[in-house]
Amino acid sequence: NAGVTQTPKFQVLKTGQSMTLQCAQDMNHNSMYWYRQDPGMGLRLIYYSASEGTTDKGEVPNGYNVSRLNKREFSLRLESAAPSQTSVYFCASSEERKNIQYFGAGTRLSVL
Amino acid sequence: DQQVKQNSPSLSVQEGRISILNCDYTNSMFDYFLWYKKYPAEGPTFLISISSIKDKNEDGRFTVFLNKSAKHLSLHIVPSQPGDSAVYFCAASGNTGGFKTIFGAGTRLFVKA
Repeated sequence: NAGVTQTPKFQVLKTGQSMTLQCAQDMNHNSMYWYRQDPGMGLRLIYYSASEGTTDKGEVPNGYNVSRLNKREFSLRLESAAPSQTSVYFCASSEERKNIQYFGAGTRLSVL
Repeated sequence: DQQVKQNSPSLSVQEGRISILNCDYTNSMFDYFLWYKKYPAEGPTFLISISSIKDKNEDGRFTVFLNKSAKHLSLHIVPSQPGDSAVYFCAASGNTGGFKTIFGAGTRLFVKA
């Protein structure tokens, strides 16, 4: 059972470069989420998608864009990476917005 | 403004003893609370949850207690095992404007053999 799959697992970028983090879930969940985890800060919500075709900003959306490509896939794009975006990024999904979330293994991103 | 607070960054417990992890919240609109467990290099995994209509939920060695008047919940692990060593995140959700789930900063639990 794959669950939530994130790619890549690791990435190093130079300031100003762009990249897209990919996320796919095979549980037929309606809701998907992108979080970032920083030391002492817990998990902070960047963007979420309550259902296919909708996306909403979370707590820390600046510098990011998202696309809910279909029910399975939810991607996170950094258009011009900054050192402040160095973090571990987690994608998650749930049946509904309030329910238990299932997380991917994370993408560790360093921006130099 | 942290709506969900875990004030202890770390906790060390002897194997076989009880581990108590605490969490406080500020928003009275939260009505569903969860605990997640995270090992290094893995994503968080769901551990146990509790609805605001209950004050206790038990699952094997794990029990979550909710005190709504104090806006406080705790996770008890009895007996603690070395495999329980991980970071534990408290989370809360409810009709706070979008049903977003808010996570605490986490508590790192060390269980010593």
